[in-house]
Amino acid sequence: EDQVTQSPEALRLQEGESSSLNCSYTVSGLRGLFWYRQDPGKGPEFLFTLYSAGEEKEKERLKATLTKKESFLHITAPKPEDSATYLCAVQDGQNFVFGPGTRLSVLP
Amino acid sequence: KAGVTQTPRYLIKTRGQQVTLSCSPISGHRSVSWYQQTPGQGLQFLFEYFSETQRNKGNFPGRFSGRQFSNSRSEMNVSTLELGDSALYLCASSYLDTLRGGSPLHFGNGTRLTVT
Repeated sequence: EDQVTQSPEALRLQEGESSSLNCSYTVSGLRGLFWYRQDPGKGPEFLFTLYSAGEEKEKERLKATLTKKESFLHITAPKPEDSATYLCAVQDGQNFVFGPGTRLSVLP
Repeated sequence: KAGVTQTPRYLIKTRGQQVTLSCSPISGHRSVSWYQQTPGQGLQFLFEYFSETQRNKGNFPGRFSGRQFSNSRSEMNVSTLELGDSALYLCASSYLDTLRGGSPLHFGNGTRLTVT
């Protein structure tokens, strides 16, 4: 059965303190791994798609990487506005399976 | 480019009633998927429509149904509401249907349904 786990469940950082979020997955045939950001009361906002091991994508302070079993979302010098829940999802066949998310708080 | 639009944003219904939620996808997107999000279960897939045909269905009871119109707009209906149906219902559109894969889902801001 497809499974996606994320760690840590919650993370508190000081502004400027870099860190990484982890997404581990078990799927039979990965068609894509997706990262989203979700703010309270809003829908998930698409950030990145990764398709194959070794691929990296970057956007402002965020960088996503992919291996055969996990993906990392690296946050460099975060700001308070980066506070949100970060979700990863994998597509296996037709199905999207979402992880439970990491709740990130960046303190000024 | 306008994003995915969901209406209404909030709904309060009584147990036993039925409800219809609406979704307008991003222009040019023909695939529409519906998800239920709760604190305990996270994002759970309900169904996907492409070109007015249901392509995939999640593990939800038959009280949950949907449809898609020729302009790609979609509705979902929940009949005989239960307290456990209280959730954020999210609609997502994508350029390609999930059979072809690899295309990200773009979500609306959801409809917050409260069943009392």
